[in-house]
Amino acid sequence: DAKTTQPNSMESNEEEPVHLPCNHSTISGTDYIHWYRQLPSQGPEYVIHGLTSNVNNRMASLAIAEDRKSSTLILHRATLRDAAVYYCILTKTGANNLFFGTGTRLTVIP
Amino acid sequence: DAGVIQSPRHEVTEMGQEVTLRCKPISGHDYLFWYRQTMMRGLELLIYFNNNVPIDDSGMPEDRFSAKMPNASFSTLKIQPSEPRDSAVYFCASSLAGGLTDTQYFGPGTRLTVL
Repeated sequence: DAKTTQPNSMESNEEEPVHLPCNHSTISGTDYIHWYRQLPSQGPEYVIHGLTSNVNNRMASLAIAEDRKSSTLILHRATLRDAAVYYCILTKTGANNLFFGTGTRLTVIP
Repeated sequence: DAGVIQSPRHEVTEMGQEVTLRCKPISGHDYLFWYRQTMMRGLELLIYFNNNVPIDDSGMPEDRFSAKMPNASFSTLKIQPSEPRDSAVYFCASSLAGGLTDTQYFGPGTRLTVL
């Protein structure tokens, strides 16, 4: 299975942009890139997903490299509520499950 | 919609006892997933159902674990007998169609402690 590599942790100041990187060098042509996050003591929640083009929604933006071997989740203005573990996940053709790696723990500093 | 509902939120039991975790998926969702989260192993998929039928149970750790989905609005995960190493947070999730782009909605989890 294609795997993702993320930094274990990152810090950001409140109200500043945050760029969370993810490497997925063995991604297949039809794999989608998903991002979920898990706030403390809660279940994971969907953030965003994409295939080839950059994507924007109310929560975040997803920038996908042209070769698709990496992607970056962008939080435009970090708030204290954004402190969470962020998971970058590839969904495989023919599979319905999500493989959660270790994720990146984001700390937001007031 | 109330989202995915799990009960109980916390369960403390003694080794050897039977434990039953419950999940009510979002109405209209065809897929239901059971995950387990521990510090050591992170989030792992245990089993998932499509239209109440188990599709992949390869993540179920051993025969002590069983899951059922008798109807579209209810699923159980049972551990019998329970062991201390089963202590974890168990999440249930559901999705509309289960495809590559479909979002999974997670419940709040059940924190299980086996003494």
